[in-house]
Amino acid sequence: EPEVTQTPSHQVTQMGQEVILRCVPISNHLYFYWYRQILGQKVEFLVSFYNNEISEKSEIFDDQFSVERPDGSNFTLKIRSTKLEDSAMYFCASRGLTNTEAFFGQGTRLTVV
Amino acid sequence: QKEVEQDPGPLSVPEGAIVSLNCTYSNSAFQYFMWYRQYSRKGPELLMYTYSSGNKEDGRFTAQVDKSSKYISLFIRDSQPSDSATYLCAMSRADGLTFGKGTHLIIQP
Repeated sequence: EPEVTQTPSHQVTQMGQEVILRCVPISNHLYFYWYRQILGQKVEFLVSFYNNEISEKSEIFDDQFSVERPDGSNFTLKIRSTKLEDSAMYFCASRGLTNTEAFFGQGTRLTVV
Repeated sequence: QKEVEQDPGPLSVPEGAIVSLNCTYSNSAFQYFMWYRQYSRKGPELLMYTYSSGNKEDGRFTAQVDKSSKYISLFIRDSQPSDSATYLCAMSRADGLTFGKGTHLIIQP
């Protein structure tokens, strides 16, 4: 069964460093998303991406964040200069053109120290 | 008022009981309604999605949508300890999902 895969499963980084979180969406999907979940809190929308551009972003997705689909299969989230409060689970999701179900990856746990 | 309201629980019930999980929402623009199950430190797993008002059944799970009241429910029959997880309602507009906080469900053996 096709699935969304994310790497790494856990990333530890020092405050101020750049991190790149990677996702491989389901192959025929066209809409891609990043969400985050701070420990014990709700899943929060960060950004959606369609047709090689951002279609919607939340207030959380400030200038420190960027997304890219560099090679037609990977979908990356970059945090330019990490802060302690960026520590969270980051989930990638994708969905196809004709359905509305979004499928999630298992997440990357980002710990900023 | 928040767009999606969901009681975070915890909700603890004995094995075999019928579980009722609920969300309310305020934005009439929401078109699709989903329920996700999330085990600790794992990604949300889609359980059910619905579009129209009414009931949709899948095995032990029934999703119910009442658009006039802006109220959705998930019922779990014959609950099992393996159903213990956080259940997230999610709602969709043209793009993106808005999640409820999630209800932490505990099924006691």
